[in-house]
Parts: sequence; structure tokens; C-alpha cells
Amino acid sequence: GQQVMQIPQYQHVQEGEDFTTYCNSSTTLSNIQWYKQRPGGHPVFLIQLVKSGEVKKQKRLTFQFGEAKKNSSLHITATQTTDVGTYFCAGLRVNDMRFGAGTRLTVKP
Amino acid sequence: NAGVTQTPKFQVLKTGQSMTLQCAQDMNHEYMSWYRQDPGMGLRLIHYSVGAGITDQGEVPNGYNVSRSTTEDFPLRLLSAAPSQTSVYFCASSMFLPGPTGGDTQYFGPGTRLTVL
Repeated sequence: GQQVMQIPQYQHVQEGEDFTTYCNSSTTLSNIQWYKQRPGGHPVFLIQLVKSGEVKKQKRLTFQFGEAKKNSSLHITATQTTDVGTYFCAGLRVNDMRFGAGTRLTVKP
Repeated sequence: NAGVTQTPKFQVLKTGQSMTLQCAQDMNHEYMSWYRQDPGMGLRLIHYSVGAGITDQGEVPNGYNVSRSTTEDFPLRLLSAAPSQTSVYFCASSMFLPGPTGGDTQYFGPGTRLTVL
């Protein structure tokens, strides 16, 4: 079955440092979604990528979808304490949506 | 709009007991789904529904039943609770089913933290 792997599992950074999480699928994806979950909260939708090689930006966040539509990344520039949480990717392949295990980001002020 | 609501927020069950987790949305969304979240495993899809009267299994459906009699409500029933079902359960909804041309924003409820002793 479709597997979505996400690395790293944890990332601890100093405030102001950059952060990247990577998502890899064993199969070609139709599209990929990214979510953020704050500690004790619920997942909140961030963005969806559909096209091969697509790059989207939201302020300090940059999302990329690989040319082969099998991998994706989320990059945060100059992290802030408000960025703390777990970031999940979710790969979609025809009615089948699989979440990665998430990357838990902690930021030291 | 209240969005997606879930009740209860917390529940403790004994092995073998049954219960229903409630989920409701007021956004007139066709697609609703249930996930469980376990440490280090992300979110796993249990069941989903593409509209009233239509349900289907997800990745981990065993031990759970669902029904969708109305657009608004999508309850999840645990038939005979087991310790392996200890988890946080999230209900989610979106306007339409994720498909080859894209998906829609999924809105998640606040979750139900279930412990089975």
C-alpha cells in the first residue's frame, strides 16, 4: 500500500534558524497537503500542492512538490516561537489519503 | 459557524465496553472522515463518507463502525473496546472528496482522547 515517510521525526532549533521537513512517498501522488498541529491541538490545513515541481510560499514558509510527485518539503525561514508544533504531510492518491508521522518542531527563544 | 464539533473530549472505557464518538459539522460538507492519532504514527484513516448514506473503510477500520444518516453527523462506534484502541480520535470534513485533481481544505474537530483500560 501507499506509504508516506516524513523526516526528521524531531527538530529542535534556536529562534531565527531555518527548519525543513521532508516527505517521501513510495508511489506517485495526485497531490499533497500540509498541516500544522500545535501541542494539544488539532491539525490545521496549511496548503495543497497539485502540480509537478510546484512551489508555493506563505510568508516565511516555502512548500515544494517534487518533479516526480513523490516527494515534498516544507521550509521555514528564520523560525519564531510561534512556529512550534508538529508538521504533517498528507499524500493523496485516488481516494486514499495517507499522513506522514510528522515532524515535531521545538524552538528555543 | 461552529465548524467541526466532537463529543466527548475525554472518555475512559473498560475493555469490552461499547460507545459512540459523536461528530457534527455545520458547513454542509459532503466529505467526512475519522482518524486516529497515535504517538509517532501520524494520523490514520479509519472510515470516511462521501455523503449521506455512503461510507467506506479507510486504512484501519477493524473494530469500528460508522453511519451517515445526515449530511451533518458522522458518529464513530466502537463495538467492543480494546486497549489497542486507546488513542486520540479526530473527525474531519471537507467540501468534497480528495481526488486526482486535488482536494479541499480539511477541517478537523478538537479531538476525543480515549483510554481503554
